[in-house]
Amino acid sequence: SQQGEEDPQALSIQEGENATMNCSYKTSINNLQWYRQNSGRGLVHLILIRSNEREKHSGRLRVTLDTSKKSSSLLITASRAADTASYFCATDGGGGSNYKLTFGKGTLLTVNP
Amino acid sequence: NAGVMQNPRHLVRRRGQEARLRCSPMKGHSHVYWYRQLPEEGLKFMVYLQKENIIDESGMPKERFSAEFPKEGPSILRIQQVVRGDSAAYFCASSPNSGAEAFFGQGTRLTVV
Repeated sequence: SQQGEEDPQALSIQEGENATMNCSYKTSINNLQWYRQNSGRGLVHLILIRSNEREKHSGRLRVTLDTSKKSSSLLITASRAADTASYFCATDGGGGSNYKLTFGKGTLLTVNP
Repeated sequence: NAGVMQNPRHLVRRRGQEARLRCSPMKGHSHVYWYRQLPEEGLKFMVYLQKENIIDESGMPKERFSAEFPKEGPSILRIQQVVRGDSAAYFCASSPNSGAEAFFGQGTRLTVV
């Protein structure tokens, strides 16, 4: 699998349900970030979690990081139709290339009203 | 404080023409990154620049592509003699320093006909 690979590739849920997306990566990291991209639009930064953090919250978002398993999850609680978008995790290279973000192909989330 | 501004939002070029994509970073940000997103793919790192310096261009094709970030004015990504395979969304991001949270622009969607 590639660095920063999300799963599932697509997820369809009903409004009000929770959505969980996972991300796996290969190399050591300094930070892991989650972004949202609406169709044909730019990326919106959601949350950054550092390698020494295990969990972080922001509104309806909860991100976990397990560096031993090289994985992260993004949980969106009480989903809304407006949450429909593609979600990407991005890892930095760690060490000297902490500026270079590596993105996965994303999870396409559809929230049905 | 305006976000990262990219223009144009959409650009159509015929094969063999030149494409110039502009990016104005957020105020106070001196680090600029360019990424390319092919259809149904995640973003791929192209180049990292600071004012007047190219720090890392490892993701940039060796031919036809160049980038600059002059002392004054926006960062420019230049693609000479475009081919159909250059059709993609090109995103610019900026940060106040390397390793910090990167904010993305809305992207420029290049279509080569």
